[in-house]
Amino acid sequence: EIVLTQSPGTLSLSPGERATLSCRASQTISSTYLAWYQRKPGQAPRLLLYGASSRATGIPDRFSGSGSGTDFTLTISRLEPEDFAVYYCHQYVNSFTFGQGTRLEIK
Amino acid sequence: QVQLVESGGGVVQPGRSLRLSCAASGFTFSSYAFHWVRQAPGKRLEWVVAISYDGSKTDYADSVKGRFTISRDNSKNTVYLQMNSLRPEDTGVYYCARARSSGWYGDYWGQGTLVTVSS
Repeated sequence: EIVLTQSPGTLSLSPGERATLSCRASQTISSTYLAWYQRKPGQAPRLLLYGASSRATGIPDRFSGSGSGTDFTLTISRLEPEDFAVYYCHQYVNSFTFGQGTRLEIK
Repeated sequence: QVQLVESGGGVVQPGRSLRLSCAASGFTFSSYAFHWVRQAPGKRLEWVVAISYDGSKTDYADSVKGRFTISRDNSKNTVYLQMNSLRPEDTGVYYCARARSSGWYGDYWGQGTLVTVSS
């Protein structure tokens, strides 16, 4: 099983700042098979990125993704108030697994 | 717009059964695969099962194989998850998610339904 480890566990930032979230895989995966989700309390998870860097429909361009091999990054260039949520990475190359999540909170 | 609404969750005793439903709208249901994904309290998201667009292919996590059964009714735009022999470790929020194929990520998710297995 491919284990995804996200860091940090919690990130405290202010609106307008840049957020960098990391996801490390226990083995090499093609970037084609890496996605990121956002989840707010009581809401459905929302797909942000697939293929490591392709934005899903309706996702603002302040969200970007990068990475390859075992290390992937989600960057939010300038935080808006609605961006404070929990973020998950997800691999779908070998069955399906998820990271444990990074909580992005307002500082 | 795409909507997925799960239902059927509740409190059930260990060893009993429960059936979850996922009602879909806003898209051509029969063209998509579906996943069920769950999250136990304090744990990470765990993929449970997937079904292909026509129901011909299913894939289960080892943790539920032989106990859970996924099915779909394309005439009712609904996906089902029959859960038998429930265990306390099956407790969690269950989400259904739409996918381009059963081997692909979920692009739209429902809000989930809570299943609690407890005596």
